[in-house]
Amino acid sequence: ELKVEQNPLFLSMQEGKNYTIYCNYSTTSDRLYWYRQDPGKSLESLFVLLSNGAVKQEGRLMASLDTKARLSTLHITAAVHDLSATYFCAVDRTSGSRLTFGEGTQLTVNP
Amino acid sequence: GAVVSQHPSWVICKSGTSVKIECRSLDFQATTMFWYRQFPKQSLMLMATSNEGSKATYEQGVEKDKFLINHASLTLSTLTVTSAHPEDSSFYICSAPRSGVPDTQYFGPGTRLTVL
Repeated sequence: ELKVEQNPLFLSMQEGKNYTIYCNYSTTSDRLYWYRQDPGKSLESLFVLLSNGAVKQEGRLMASLDTKARLSTLHITAAVHDLSATYFCAVDRTSGSRLTFGEGTQLTVNP
Repeated sequence: GAVVSQHPSWVICKSGTSVKIECRSLDFQATTMFWYRQFPKQSLMLMATSNEGSKATYEQGVEKDKFLINHASLTLSTLTVTSAHPEDSSFYICSAPRSGVPDTQYFGPGTRLTVL
């Protein structure tokens, strides 16, 4: 059974600081997704990582994938309040778009 | 703009009644759609895979007779929660992969169900 674990689950940080969220998964997969969810809303797609060593960046967020270590990271650079949200990683179980989600990381960026 | 819609956005119903939730792909055809459930402060859990023209595939522990799924057309999947009870109160989200756009999955805006 595929397990996806995120760390930390809760994160409070000051504006301007950097931090990394980790996503570990238990079985081989070549598709990893990062999503953002605001309270009461659905998911917003952030990144799709498809191969070992993949790195993608959008604004203050950068995601990477190490398939050998079964680890993905979401790095936040110079956080701003607007980044406050819950971030989920998800792994495609069988290349059939059936996703297993991590527990989510609730990020709060304080002024 | 949104490429997957859900209706209704929220619904409150009495215990014992049935509730239907629609998921539509707006500008593409989706032979497969997925239904997720999210309890407050928790992650998303895949409930079932909706397949156009065939039976849905349910995840382990999901009662197929309680959560009826119909994928009647290439743009519409419905989830019916039968004989709803308060423990069914949750946020239900559908998603659809887009053919021809590899590795892209679009999520609907979600339906919040509250069962009194």
